[in-house]
Parts: sequence; C-alpha cells; structure tokens
Amino acid sequence: DGGITQSPKYLFRKEGQNVTLSCEQNLNHDAMYWYRQDPGQGLRLIYYSQIVNDFQKGDIAEGYSVSREKKESFPLTVTSAQKNPTAFYLCASSGGGGQGEETQYFGPGTRLLVL
Amino acid sequence: GEDVEQSLFLSVREGDSSVINCTYTDSSSTYLYWYKQEPGAGLQLLTYIFSNMDMKQDQRLTVLLNKKDKHLSLRIADTQTGDSAIYFCAESMDSSYKLIFGSGTRLLVRP
Repeated sequence: DGGITQSPKYLFRKEGQNVTLSCEQNLNHDAMYWYRQDPGQGLRLIYYSQIVNDFQKGDIAEGYSVSREKKESFPLTVTSAQKNPTAFYLCASSGGGGQGEETQYFGPGTRLLVL
Repeated sequence: GEDVEQSLFLSVREGDSSVINCTYTDSSSTYLYWYKQEPGAGLQLLTYIFSNMDMKQDQRLTVLLNKKDKHLSLRIADTQTGDSAIYFCAESMDSSYKLIFGSGTRLLVRP
C-alpha cells in the first residue's frame, strides 16, 4: 500500500521546546517537501529536498530545520526560534518518472499546537 | 512575481455544475494542478493539465486552460454533497519543482 505517512496526527509543543515531525514515503520519490498551512490560507513552502543529503530553504524556513539522510524520510524540526508554530504541517513528495513527474502527492498532515 | 488567485467561496445546489476559477501570473508554468482538501486532511490530487493543453476531462471533472489570459478553471458536473471541500489551484515553476498555491476556494454543496 504505497503512500506518504506523517506522524503524529497531533503534536503539542511547550515553550522553548524543539519538536520533530515525521514524514515517510514508499513511493520511491526523489523529491520531498514540507509546507505550512494557516487557517484560511494556502500552503507556504518551508523546505524541500530534491535528492538524498541535499535540501533547500523555501519561503518561510526561519525557525525550522530538516534532514534527508534516507530517500524515504524527510523529518522536520520546529525549533524554539519559531515563535508562531501553531499550524497544520503537510509533507509531500514527487518524482515518480514520466510525464507529470513533478506532481506532488501529500500526506495526511500533522497539526501542531502550542501549550 | 508569482501569484495565484482564487475566489474564496462558492455555493451550489446538489446536482448542479460547479465552476471554480483561478488566475496565475507566471507564463513559464509547466503544469497546473487542482487539489481537494477535506476538513483536517491532507491535499488530494484531483487532476493536472500540462501548459500546452487547452482542456482535460476526467469523469465528472473538466479543466479548462486559457494560457493567453492565464486563467484556469475546474468544472465539476453533477456536484454531490461529498464534493464539499476546499479546492486549491497550484502552478509549478519551470525546473524548480516548486508549487505556488492559491489560497483555496471553499465549495459548499446544498442538498
């Protein structure tokens, strides 16, 4: 059963704490992405990775960090430097080959709340 | 600059057709996408169209692309209550793998 999984579904962060959101895909996709969605808004790109061991900042990377040590995994850490972390976080992947290979497929999302 | 705009809200009666519109600014877009998001869920890919096409039909969905006016539309025939969701238009930027999203159109289907 191929797809993208994100965990946890809900995550609570205390002040000054770093938290890590998991994203795993078994689609054999090369590229992976993290987006942030705020209520009533579209998606904004945080980080993306086109290949293992390489990643680039998106439009709102400040306060976030990522790693890409394995093709199937792209975890996102929300650091204490991110002052307004409450949002819905979506992971996506692309690169299945053929026409439309840049088409992005999304996971179910993680909702992060601040205590 | 890069910008994708959509109207915020659309309400239709069950069984009618829905038309969701989108305008974009970058003429170098290679693909244009429509995604559906139900409450609390991720984005589900509905369909996409390559920039050299004018129209694409997939069962109840019809996508029209007017490249001259940079206008994209999604028509849903025989709209059902299960179609109630937020619909996002997105354009891909040539060779960068980046998607630019609109802010979404909330579709409400009345029984």
